[in-house]
Amino acid sequence: NAGVMQNPRHLVRRRGQEARLRCSPMKGHSHVYWYRQLPEEGLKFMVYLQKENIIDESGMPKERFSAEFPKEGPSILRIQQVVRGDSAAYFCASSPGQGVSEQYFGPGTRLTVT
Amino acid sequence: DAKTTQPTSMDCAEGRAANLPCNHSTISGNEYVYWYRQIHSQGPQYIIHGLKNNETNEMASLIITEDRKSSTLILPHATLRDTAVYYCIVRENFGNEKLTFGTGTRLTIIP
Repeated sequence: NAGVMQNPRHLVRRRGQEARLRCSPMKGHSHVYWYRQLPEEGLKFMVYLQKENIIDESGMPKERFSAEFPKEGPSILRIQQVVRGDSAAYFCASSPGQGVSEQYFGPGTRLTVT
Repeated sequence: DAKTTQPTSMDCAEGRAANLPCNHSTISGNEYVYWYRQIHSQGPQYIIHGLKNNETNEMASLIITEDRKSSTLILPHATLRDTAVYYCIVRENFGNEKLTFGTGTRLTIIP
């Protein structure tokens, strides 16, 4: 049973480019969460999605960041016009969403903005 | 979510039991205690959770005080691979809300 998969594992972007981070939840999981960990800082919640719906985006920056979890395919976290301050590790987690609430995390995507 | 307080760092000798305390004095009746750990820069790993009874699984034991204001995570026979940052989190269980990570305890297992 494969765990949460994230790709790419490492991503380098120049300032002003777009970054697209993908997350495939565990089989049977319909809830996805994105977290960000800035260098030497703790993990911060960004957004919580179910299939085709954003449930809680209270941790998302107001501009340049968006997330989706389509009916088919992985969840995507998109960062437009990246800046150096976006350099961080981005972790995705998933849960079954049926009374079982442990979240299982992927290995993360490390974004470096040059 | 209720706040938690954990020591910043702890050391434990390899092979001994590691006891990690957590204070959550403002926890409400329907909030559970969760423990996660993050090894180096990997994704956080779920360890265990409980409401008011002590819990045990293949990784650890969780001891929750009767008044639920504090808890202790016990790793019975610590190995070098248990070196990590351990996070104690309280949250309600019926929903699927976000996890709010604090600063955690950096546990170092000493050979």
